[in-house]
This record gives sequence, structure tokens and C-alpha cells, in this order.
Amino acid sequence: LAKTTQPISMDSYEGQEVNITCSHNNIATNDYITWYQQFPSQGPRFIIQGYKTKVTNEVASLFIPADRKSSTLSLPRVSLSDTAVYYCLVRRRDDKIIFGKGTRLHILP
Amino acid sequence: EAGVVQSPRYKIIEKKQPVAFWCNPISGHNTLYWYLQNLGQGPELLIRYENEEAVDDSQLPKDRFSAERLKGVDSTLKIQPAELGDSAVYLCASSSPSGSQTGELFFGEGSRLTVL
Repeated sequence: LAKTTQPISMDSYEGQEVNITCSHNNIATNDYITWYQQFPSQGPRFIIQGYKTKVTNEVASLFIPADRKSSTLSLPRVSLSDTAVYYCLVRRRDDKIIFGKGTRLHILP
Repeated sequence: EAGVVQSPRYKIIEKKQPVAFWCNPISGHNTLYWYLQNLGQGPELLIRYENEEAVDDSQLPKDRFSAERLKGVDSTLKIQPAELGDSAVYLCASSSPSGSQTGELFFGEGSRLTVL
């Protein structure tokens, strides 16, 4: 399993775009990059997954450079309700899902 | 559509007592997971079921933890006897066959255990 490194915490302000970068230098050819979001007192929630280039859904965008050694989760125009922990996971499609410590994002008014 | 349902939401017990957590996955999801989450940490996988078969229980402390999913639907996680270090949130998740491939799990709200 590829090891991931992401910031322990980040602060931002309402209305701003937030980018959380995850490093995964030893990502394998068959690995996919997945991001989860966890609000306090709730279980994690799947946000987005990608393999290369850019993926966008109604919640976020995921940018993956050509070498795939990192990825950036982009949250457009955040609000207070985006305060949560964001987990970056790298895994093969049939492999177990292992969470790291994640990035604690705190949105300020 | 109902999500993953867990009960109880909160449980306080004294050490050495038994405790059980129940999980009802999303209808049609054949894969069920139990995770443990300590404060400030990410969830840690305890056991994964494919239907009624435990396909990965390598991280389950089998001396005191047990789990079952008898009919391939609901599942129960039991701790007996509980220790102080077992205080944590126990999360249940489920996924469809395609979700297991993509890594899209649906989690319940968790059961918070406090051992005194």
C-alpha cells in the first residue's frame, strides 16, 4: 500500500477556495486516489476518486499531475460547514481501505 | 434510502464488562466492515465481511473481540471483557460490489464506547 502524507491541519476563510495536497511518492501503476470527508461525530463520507488528470463532481475537484506522486483536493468557495477532516487514500481497486490521520480543515468566518 | 444504521450510539460500561454493537448495512450491500476510531486518528479496519464470510479479520484482537454476520445482512461486534483501552468509536460501513472496487464505502454514525 502506498504511504500518503498530508498536512495535519489547515485553516481557511469562508468563500475561499481550499486546496489540500497529498503526497504519495510510491504510488503504483494500479493504484487509485480516493478522498474521504469526516464531520465531527459522523462516519467518513466518500468524496471523490481519480486515477490521473482531473476529476470533478458536485462537491470537489481532484487534480493529479502526470507523475501521480501527489494529488490535490480542491474545495471551491468553502463555508463553515466544510470544517471536517479530509483523508487521502491510495489503493488498488480490490485492496483494503486504510485511513491515515487526515487533514483537519478549519473554516473561519 | 436508509443509510447504515448502528446502535447503540453511546455506551458506557465498566472495565471487564461485555458490550455488543449492532450494524444494519444498506440494503443490497454485500460487503460489511467494522472499523475502530480513536480520538484524533483515522479509522482502523477490524474486520471485513463478504456476505456472511469474514474475508479479512487480521486486525481483530481475537482474544476479546468477536464478530458475526450470520445471514449476510446485519452484523454484531462484541467485546468481552472490555478494557480501558477499548474506549473509542466503532464504525460500521458497507459497500456494493462495485463500491468495494472503487473504495466507495458508506459509513454509519458510529457507536461511541467509554470504558470506566
